[in-house]
Amino acid sequence: QQQVKQSPQSLIVQKGGISIINCAYENTAFDYFPWYQQFPGKGPALLIAIRPDVSEKKEGRFTISFNKSAKQFSLHIMDSQPGDSATYFCAASKEQAGTALIFGKGTTLSVSS
Amino acid sequence: DAGVIQSPRHEVTEMGQEVTLRCKPISGHNSLFWYRQTMMRGLELLIYFNNNVPIDDSGMPEDRFSAKMPNASFSTLKIQPSEPRDSAVYFCASSGAWDGAYEQYFGPGTRLTVT
Repeated sequence: QQQVKQSPQSLIVQKGGISIINCAYENTAFDYFPWYQQFPGKGPALLIAIRPDVSEKKEGRFTISFNKSAKQFSLHIMDSQPGDSATYFCAASKEQAGTALIFGKGTTLSVSS
Repeated sequence: DAGVIQSPRHEVTEMGQEVTLRCKPISGHNSLFWYRQTMMRGLELLIYFNNNVPIDDSGMPEDRFSAKMPNASFSTLKIQPSEPRDSAVYFCASSGAWDGAYEQYFGPGTRLTVT
């Protein structure tokens, strides 16, 4: 019930293409779904987050799509750039103070120029 | 703000030795999280504190691991005795709901190698 399953494990996209990473969760009590971006040698950093009252959230080239009934959410990176090459983690939790995030296992994205 | 500060950044030790990792959360944050990252298991939550009190330590792998938070500005993660399978990157993160957000801010991590 606490798992967050993320796919694919790795992804290679050409510059200008669309990168899509998918996640599925089990616990219906989760109501906060962030995506974190991690560059080599750095800690993860929040990229974008969504709450289940909306089905989509867009920030620049990054969009989260959320399907509450299917318990799935995905990250779309439009016009992918070499600088987007990083590891991406989805996560889920209850949105309340001091609640731990449950992370997916990560997707390593490589954008070729 | 300087962000979450972790020390040391790198630690190489021999099996059986005691290892202490340190974390200073962002000032004003009242939640602190310790994670371990490996290729095989990804990011695993080890333990987290709210207002300096341990809330959930179910992720601590064994009794060899212990964590403390003596005050709001300092936490330690100790491994005694260390084993080669403890080799990983250990992250500390903090968050504070005082601003209405629940974003966790991660430190740069400590890369631990146990030989």
